[in-house]
Amino acid sequence: NAGVTQTPKFRVLKTGQSMTLLCAQDMNHEYMYWYRQDPGMGLRLIHYSVGEGTTAKGEVPDGYNVSRLKKQNFLLGLESAAPSQTSVYFCASSYGTSGGWSRNEQFFGPGTRLTVL
Amino acid sequence: GDSVTQMEGPVTLSEEAFLTINCTYTATGYPSLFWYVQYPGEGLQLLLKATKADDKGSNKGFEATYRKETTSFHLEKGSVQVSDSAVYFCALSFNQFYFGTGTSLTVIP
Repeated sequence: NAGVTQTPKFRVLKTGQSMTLLCAQDMNHEYMYWYRQDPGMGLRLIHYSVGEGTTAKGEVPDGYNVSRLKKQNFLLGLESAAPSQTSVYFCASSYGTSGGWSRNEQFFGPGTRLTVL
Repeated sequence: GDSVTQMEGPVTLSEEAFLTINCTYTATGYPSLFWYVQYPGEGLQLLLKATKADDKGSNKGFEATYRKETTSFHLEKGSVQVSDSAVYFCALSFNQFYFGTGTSLTVIP
């Protein structure tokens, strides 16, 4: 049982390049999330998904796109990277609850450290 | 809107000292409350949680009690170890998940 895995672990991009971060979970969780973590700002929610084929915007969605084609995978895309997107990105997942937002604990991946030059 | 405010760090303690990290919340309903820990270079791990008022969460010697009257969920440990050095995040879940900004703890021998 691997839990939540993220690939890659590190990446350096030049401004304007694109890339996709992959998140996978083997816990059969309904909900998945993408966060970014910056010094002094804690975790900020980028996008989330409450089920296969559904996505929604979080607190800081601009410049990112996501897809959830399979229940176990949640992809985060940067179409045209900018230095302001230099950050550590965390994926998380949780069980869902009927009728709305999950109140259950979130399980986190190890993170992807992205630098945009 | 809902939010979490936690004590700013960094916090430096000697081994075996008592630890308190304050956390207060604002919520329109009755949220679940969590403490997560992040060790260097790793993702967040759930440390403990409480889902209703007066619940006490505990794990690895850490404790926190859900206080509805003071809207608080302070983290405590009676005797810290060097291995407790990490960043601690308070969080709440109701209509959305909200994290505090984190408190860095360093324990020196």
